[in-house]
Amino acid sequence: GENVEQHPSTLSVQEGDSAVIKCTYSDSASNYFPWYKQELGKRPQLIIDIRSNVGEKKDQRIAVTLNKTAKHFSLHITETQPEDSAVYFCAASMGNSGGSNYKLTFGKGTLLTVNP
Amino acid sequence: ETGVTQSPTHLIKTRGQQVTLRCSSQSGHNTVSWYQQALGQGPQFIFQYYREEENGRGNFPPRFSGLQFPNYSSELNVNALELDDSALYLCASSLGGRQGYTFGSGTRLTVV
Repeated sequence: GENVEQHPSTLSVQEGDSAVIKCTYSDSASNYFPWYKQELGKRPQLIIDIRSNVGEKKDQRIAVTLNKTAKHFSLHITETQPEDSAVYFCAASMGNSGGSNYKLTFGKGTLLTVNP
Repeated sequence: ETGVTQSPTHLIKTRGQQVTLRCSSQSGHNTVSWYQQALGQGPQFIFQYYREEENGRGNFPPRFSGLQFPNYSSELNVNALELDDSALYLCASSLGGRQGYTFGSGTRLTVV
């Protein structure tokens, strides 16, 4: 089955700096890669996702890149703010079949701390 | 549009007991998945229901079972609770197609 590795496990940056979190996946059939932000005691929230037919996607200060050949994808956060502090999870999925989505396989998470 | 709601929010059970967790999917979503999140770990897939049928299962024993109802709400049942079952149980719903998953806030289960 799919295996997702995520690095680093913790990341501390100064406010205004950039943060990069990297993930690798094992199953070349995976074609959907979402990123979730989870604040302490709260639900995982989808912040950005990318499908295998594109190499990069951007939404304001957040961007995700995908290298299908190397089977890795990365989350980039620019101009970090204290409210970006949370645990970030990457995930991989084979997308969907008919009317149903395939399961998500998650990485172990990265605790991002943005220091004021 | 309502989000994914789960109940109860917290639960304490004794080893060997049985528990039922409930999830109401987001309006219009026909697929519900359940995940177990141990402390400091990423969510692990338990199983998924699509139109009331189980259509995917992770590496969890048969004492983890579920149901999906005609209104697409769902239950997760765990029998013969073990201490290692202590975790946050997350429900996620989706519409399929090119839509992603929306997660509920979870049920924190503690087994003592």
